[in-house]
Amino acid sequence: SQKIEQNSEALNIQEGKTATLTCNYTNYSPAYLQWYRQDPGRGPVFLLLIRENEKEKRKERLKVTFDTTLKQSLFHITASQPADSATYLCAPAKAAGNKLTFGGGTRVLVKP
Amino acid sequence: NAGVTQTPKFQVLKTGQSMTLQCAQDMNHNSMYWYRQDPGMGLRLIYYSASEGTTDKGEVPNGYNVSRLNKREFSLRLESAAPSQTSVYFCASSASGGFETQYFGPGTRLLVL
Repeated sequence: SQKIEQNSEALNIQEGKTATLTCNYTNYSPAYLQWYRQDPGRGPVFLLLIRENEKEKRKERLKVTFDTTLKQSLFHITASQPADSATYLCAPAKAAGNKLTFGGGTRVLVKP
Repeated sequence: NAGVTQTPKFQVLKTGQSMTLQCAQDMNHNSMYWYRQDPGMGLRLIYYSASEGTTDKGEVPNGYNVSRLNKREFSLRLESAAPSQTSVYFCASSASGGFETQYFGPGTRLLVL
């Protein structure tokens, strides 16, 4: 069965450094992958989408890569700030429809 | 523009009781979804509705029913609540079944005793 793995351990990082999160998937060939941010007590909020034919996507201080050979997506937050502290969810999806399958999320804590 | 709204925000039920979770969106989206989120399990799809008048099962549909009342509203019903259904429930919507992003509501925290 398809499996999506994100590091369940929290990532503690110093303000100003780059945070790198990993999303690995198995038994799965997603056509695209989305990343969401979730703050405590709130619903997820969309951040970035990357298609299988795109190697890299950027939005302000965020960068996502998609390696279909490694079956992995990396999510980078550059020049991290305390306001970036949240849980980040990856969600691959197949081309048919938009049924996302979410990973368990990685919590990021940026310390000043 | 409220986006996706959910009611209630919090509910406590006794085993065997029934309840309906309400969800509405004002973005004229065609597709709507119900997820549950448990610690360490991520978001799991319960049911979804690709368009008005259609509903389909997701990953964990047992114990739940849904109704797509109209284009705006998508409700989730627990006929006989069980402690295993204690969770946080999120409703989401998207423009259609393509590459569009999903917009989530604030969630309903449900505790079944």
